[in-house]
Amino acid sequence: DTEVTQTPKHLVMGMTNKKSLKCEQHMGHRAMYWYKQKAKKPPELMFVYSYEKLSINESVPSRFSPECPNSSLLNLHLHALQPEDSALYLCASSQETHSPLHFGNGTRLTVT
Amino acid sequence: GQNIDQPTEMTATEGAIVQINCTYQTSGFNGLFWYQQHAGEAPTFLSYNVLDGLEEKGRFSSFLSRSKGYSYLLLKELQMKDSASYLCAVRGRFGGYQKVTFGTGTKLQVIP
Repeated sequence: DTEVTQTPKHLVMGMTNKKSLKCEQHMGHRAMYWYKQKAKKPPELMFVYSYEKLSINESVPSRFSPECPNSSLLNLHLHALQPEDSALYLCASSQETHSPLHFGNGTRLTVT
Repeated sequence: GQNIDQPTEMTATEGAIVQINCTYQTSGFNGLFWYQQHAGEAPTFLSYNVLDGLEEKGRFSSFLSRSKGYSYLLLKELQMKDSASYLCAVRGRFGGYQKVTFGTGTKLQVIP
């Protein structure tokens, strides 16, 4: 069982919808990440939070908006997405930014 | 930038040993990770190398040579459940900051 919990597991949304992906960890990790993974491709980094501050934004379009309310929670707010944004969205955490990443089970997003 | 190369696919027999290679080029190398990913699931952390040498963990071992930009994952006593993709990931400096980048993965098929 993963110690990084993501909700929902599946999400279908239209291009005009607003939705949020949620991620939670209670391992005391101080770094949290959002990755995007398309089929048969490796995970691609989107955002990194370190000590609740955004430290890396990999030039992600503004229709993806991350939020870190506290050290255990990480959200990804979605608005006006495109069909090509359909993918598996993975949250990960690590003790520090130089430590191994531990992934959640992901949210499989479909944009119609 | 960072380049990470792995074979695309490998096939091995149940009970045998298989070695999955990974070569990389990066500046500011600060660790190499191996992950296992079953289809439709999240990556699972297997091993971490930051210094040269072999790290052993049960049936799995990982080796690193920093001077050669080379690592391998060794799987012993293969089981059918080991059929999965194996991702090599490197932490290095890119764009002025450290980040973890994944290779494209090696899809391993274990046959009876």
